[in-house]
Amino acid sequence: RKEVEQDPGPFNVPEGATVAFNCTYSNSASQSFFWYRQDCRKEPKLLMSVYSSGNEDGRFTAQLNRASQYISLLIRDSKLSDSATYLCVVMDNNDMRFGAGTRLTVKP
Amino acid sequence: EPEVTQTPSHQVTQMGQEVILRCVPISNHLYFYWYRQILGQKVEFLVSFYNNEISEKSEIFDDQFSVERPDGSNFTLKIRSTKLEDSAMYFCASSWGTGNQPQHFGDGTRLSIL
Repeated sequence: RKEVEQDPGPFNVPEGATVAFNCTYSNSASQSFFWYRQDCRKEPKLLMSVYSSGNEDGRFTAQLNRASQYISLLIRDSKLSDSATYLCVVMDNNDMRFGAGTRLTVKP
Repeated sequence: EPEVTQTPSHQVTQMGQEVILRCVPISNHLYFYWYRQILGQKVEFLVSFYNNEISEKSEIFDDQFSVERPDGSNFTLKIRSTKLEDSAMYFCASSWGTGNQPQHFGDGTRLSIL
């Protein structure tokens, strides 16, 4: 069975901290990768796509290691508003598979 | 910013009844999807739809489920003979393409089966 695995957390960090989330996927043929965030009882919202060369969007950095089938998300200078569940998402053809999510709480 | 809209936001139904969940995808998107999320669990893929037909479906999407695009804007999920375990959030999503094109989600319909 193809799976996407994430550390469920929770991660409790102070404002301004740097926090990193990891994700592994089992299907070596997976084509596309994303990080979504989900607030409690809300819909998943796209945070960023993950590219092979790694990519950065403000305080967020995503990395992909195809050989190890591993994806990471780094959040720098974390803010209270970053508190959410972060979902690792792997696309196989048209089939989007979600990890169970890593819960982050940023505290003042 | 264009968005995916879903109705109703909350549906309460007696077990055994049929429900229809409605979605209006983003207007220039070509691919449509349904997902469900049981409370406290992960988001699960149900079905993808392109060019007026199902392109992929998961093992969850059995004969109890069907999808339809009855007109140029709506995309519906029908669940027949609902069971208690069908209670979940149902999310519709759409994308312009596949591959590295991300999917954009509606804010979901909470389905409660009594």
